[in-house]
Amino acid sequence: AQKITQTQPGMFVQEKEAVTLDCTYDTSDPSYGLFWYKQPSSGEMIFLIYQGSYDQQNATEGRYSLNFQKARKSANLVISASQLGDSAMYFCAMREGERRDDKIIFGKGTRLHILP
Amino acid sequence: DTGVSQDPRHKITKRGQNVTFRCDPISEHNRLYWYRQTLGQGPEFLTYFQNEAQLEKSRLLSDRFSAERPKGSFSTLEIQRTEQGDSAMYLCASSRWDLGDNEQFFGPGTRLTVL
Repeated sequence: AQKITQTQPGMFVQEKEAVTLDCTYDTSDPSYGLFWYKQPSSGEMIFLIYQGSYDQQNATEGRYSLNFQKARKSANLVISASQLGDSAMYFCAMREGERRDDKIIFGKGTRLHILP
Repeated sequence: DTGVSQDPRHKITKRGQNVTFRCDPISEHNRLYWYRQTLGQGPEFLTYFQNEAQLEKSRLLSDRFSAERPKGSFSTLEIQRTEQGDSAMYLCASSRWDLGDNEQFFGPGTRLTVL
């Protein structure tokens, strides 16, 4: 079974609108961490946001917020007021177990297109 | 530029040849990771180091692959007897794990094409 599922291969969104990128995960470990990374066409992976499984509040970083629904095993990324520069691949990822284990498992990604 | 650097950025080789990639992590980052990304997929974990110790290797890392981090700074990833299936982007990342950081900082990657 896939550990990270991103069901939207591609999305088109009008500039300045908010966008939600879906991510569900599968783990039986009570301790885990969830990440979102952005990969522009240049290829580098850019860290956006992190949510720990024990964090009580949803993580936020500027225009990015993570809608963490633990019971549903869902960790959707919300980008507010989208910009043309947000066009990229977005990957949801998970680290299982305690931090010391540190291996990150990535989903297949969602390609986001922001339309002018 | 103080980010993670990788060299070369692109490598084209013939099947059966050996290739070696280098990764220079962010200074003082004690953890270094290697991932492989094929077209249309997310990165897949290969291996990681804490200082010079290799702590984990994925089953994806066949006997033809070897990674080193001899002095706990830069790392090399060597692929022997390359196969067409090795064509991918090889990504390196580093982190300052002991400070409680969760973020892994990625380099620009080395794109390998095996003809």
